[in-house]
Amino acid sequence: AQKVTQAQTEISVVEKEDVTLDCVYETRDTTYYLFWYKQPPSGELVFLIRRNSFDEQNEISGRYSWNFQKSTSSFNFTITASQVVDSAVYFCALRVNNNDMRFGAGTRLTVKP
Amino acid sequence: DGGITQSPKYLFRKEGQNVTLSCEQNLNHDAMYWYRQDPGQGLRLIYYSQIVNDFQKGDIAEGYSVSREKKESFPLTVTSAQKNPTAFYLCASSMDYQPQHFGDGTRLSIL
Repeated sequence: AQKVTQAQTEISVVEKEDVTLDCVYETRDTTYYLFWYKQPPSGELVFLIRRNSFDEQNEISGRYSWNFQKSTSSFNFTITASQVVDSAVYFCALRVNNNDMRFGAGTRLTVKP
Repeated sequence: DGGITQSPKYLFRKEGQNVTLSCEQNLNHDAMYWYRQDPGQGLRLIYYSQIVNDFQKGDIAEGYSVSREKKESFPLTVTSAQKNPTAFYLCASSMDYQPQHFGDGTRLSIL
């Protein structure tokens, strides 16, 4: 069975701090995709990144970076120099076929000015 | 602009009433999905459809029904059999293993 665990329910930081959101996944499939989505207060889910199981390269996009480690089944997300606009709920998700997409429970990030 | 439109944004249901949530996409995506989100929880899959006139149950399909008569449209009906319908409902679409695109959601409450 597929499962995603986001152990951090809520995180609160002060602006300009770095923050890492943890994501641990479980699957027996060798081919899978990992995603991060951002859900601002307005409710819609905004796609941030997709990684397939054969690509363990870390990725950096501006202040965002992702660390994918198959050895620990983790796909952690770091925001550098956080800003108030980063406040949102962040979801990690795992997809093993075209229709089985499992979401974690989400981490609510609050960035205080 | 291409995207997914969900309506209404807020919906209220009376006891014993069926209500239908609309989801329309103009992205030409084959697959469409309905998710339910409860406070403090992740998204759970209700139904999905890979092609027109075909759909499959997700993890929590009981008390819900869908149709897929057109590629662009995937309405969700919350029936009176769904005893705890209060939640935030999100519709999504995608092509193959591309990221899912989400609508803005419908918040359903009980009167």
